[in-house]
Amino acid sequence: GENVEQHPSTLSVQEGDSAVIKCTYSDSASNYFPWYKQELGKRPQLIIDIRSNVGEKKDQRIAVTLNKTAKHFSLHITETQPEDSAVYFCAAKGYQKVTFGIGTKLQVIP
Amino acid sequence: GAGVSQSPRYKVAKRGQDVALRCDPISGHVSLFWYQQALGQGPEFLTYFQNEAQLDKSGLPSDRFFAERPEGSVSTLKIQRTQQEDSAVYLCASSGTSGVNEQFFGPGTRLTVL
Repeated sequence: GENVEQHPSTLSVQEGDSAVIKCTYSDSASNYFPWYKQELGKRPQLIIDIRSNVGEKKDQRIAVTLNKTAKHFSLHITETQPEDSAVYFCAAKGYQKVTFGIGTKLQVIP
Repeated sequence: GAGVSQSPRYKVAKRGQDVALRCDPISGHVSLFWYQQALGQGPEFLTYFQNEAQLDKSGLPSDRFFAERPEGSVSTLKIQRTQQEDSAVYLCASSGTSGVNEQFFGPGTRLTVL
């Protein structure tokens, strides 16, 4: 089955700096890669996603890149703000099943 | 419209009790997923329904876990003879047609087994 590895597990940045979270996956059949933000005690919320036929996608301060050959994908948050503090999960999806990474706890220091 | 809802939001059970967790997906969503999220971990896949058909239950940890979706809308996850290691947040998610990828999560049910 699919295996998704995510790092770092924790990340602290100064407000205004950039944050990068990296993931790898194992199943070359995976074709959809969502990123979720989960605040404490809340449900995961989709923040951006990318499909396997695209190499990069950007939405305001958030961007995701995908390298299918290397089976790597990354989340980039620029100009971080305190409200970006949360746990971020990457995931990989094949036909229907979604496999999540372990999560990265991002702390943005004002 | 309304999002995915789950009930109860919190459940405390004594070890050995049976529990039933309910998920109301977004109206019209064909696909429904159950996940288990332990503290400090990512959601772990349990099972998946397309309409009323349970197409994948490979993530259910034991035969004490059972899920159903008899009419293709509301789903129930049942855990028999609960054990302490079952303590977790149980998340439900739904998505539209089988070709649509985005899953919408419910708020989860936090199960604590004493």
